[in-house]
Order: sequence, then structure tokens, then C-alpha cells
Amino acid sequence: QSALTQPASVSGSPGQSITISCTGTSSDVGGYNYVSWYQQHPGKAPKLMIYEVSNRPSGISNRFSGSKSGNTASLTISGLQAEDEADYYCSSYTSSSTWVFGGGTKLTVL
Amino acid sequence: EVQLVESGGGLVKPGGSLRLSCAASGFTFSSFSMNWVRQAPGKGLEWVSSISGGSGYIYYADSVKGRFTISRDNAKNSLYLQMNSLRAEDTAVYYCARVLDTAVITWGQGTLVTVSS
Repeated sequence: QSALTQPASVSGSPGQSITISCTGTSSDVGGYNYVSWYQQHPGKAPKLMIYEVSNRPSGISNRFSGSKSGNTASLTISGLQAEDEADYYCSSYTSSSTWVFGGGTKLTVL
Repeated sequence: EVQLVESGGGLVKPGGSLRLSCAASGFTFSSFSMNWVRQAPGKGLEWVSSISGGSGYIYYADSVKGRFTISRDNAKNSLYLQMNSLRAEDTAVYYCARVLDTAVITWGQGTLVTVSS
């Protein structure tokens, strides 16, 4: 049950696009289309942004998109806004019927 | 409105026990699998345990297996986490989470567990 690998931090200016990667193995990210992404602002509970690799829940801006290639999933945020500044976590269901999260990425909007 | 409200957190000595509860409302509780997810201070999210709607499927992270027990009472719309043999590294905010397929669609606000002498 090793954590998925995410960059510790990314940054971008308002209006730009950024991408956060999430690398796992064939037993989790690479083996299933069960990757989800969560946004967490300081002191708040996480919020689902993307599920099943690329699906957005109702109410989530289309500026958020997800994709996957092999053992690596990605979250792209386009048209960066100040309120996007937060921590982002990926998660995957695994072959053992367990869950695994990434270490988290701090997004800074410059 | 869908709500998950955790309770039962607090300060406990190493080796001690604590029972967390999560009161669910606003949805058909028995129809959803539930997770416990924790977050140590300043750290990332860690999945702890999962339980299916009818309690037939239960899974644990290796870090808590044999020490923690997840359960639910669908008649009371409640989820529980019995934590025994607590260690300093169990110190975290514990979130109750509603699952749909393979994503957490609803999170509680969390309850803080501190393990310290």
C-alpha cells in the first residue's frame, strides 16, 4: 500500500494552465480507470473534483480535467484562478480492494 | 442535505482505545459503502478502512489492521471506528466519507484524535 507519487508543489499565474501528475503501478492507477482527484483548502474537508479518471461531478467547473496514460494520471486546471490555490490529492482503487492516496500537491497561484 | 458528522475524537494515551462515530443524514445510508480516511497534522490523506453497505465487505490499511475495527448500524444511520492499541502515529483528523463506486463523494468535517502521554 505505497502512496501514489505526486509533485510536492506546482505554481502558475492567473489564466494559465497547470498539470499535476500522479504516478502509481499496474495494481492501482494503471490497472483500473478508478482514479479520482480531490481539492482541499486549508482547514477544510477535501472535495471531489474528478472521478473515474476524467469525469466531473455536477457543479465542478470544466476548467478541471483529468486523463491517464499507463501508470500515470494527470489533473489539468486551465484558466487558473486565485480560488484554485489549494492542496490536490489523487486517489486510486487497487487490485486488493483497498484505496491509496497520493502525497498531495500544493498549488500556488502567483 | 447530505451530512456526515463525526464525533468521539480526543486525547488518549499510547496503548489506549477510542471509538469514533459518524452520524449520516440526507441519503439512504444502507445503499452506500463508507470509508474512514485520516490526515496527520500537516500531512496528506491516508485511507484507513472501508465497509460495504451491508457490512459484507470490510477492508483495512496495513497500518491499522488488527488494531482498528470498522462497523456500521444501518438502522441508526451510523458508522463507527473502534481504535485499539493506539500509537503516536495514529494522531490525525479522521474523516468519515461516503463512497460511490470508487470515489468519495461526501466528506465529514473530521474529528481530531491525539495520541500522547
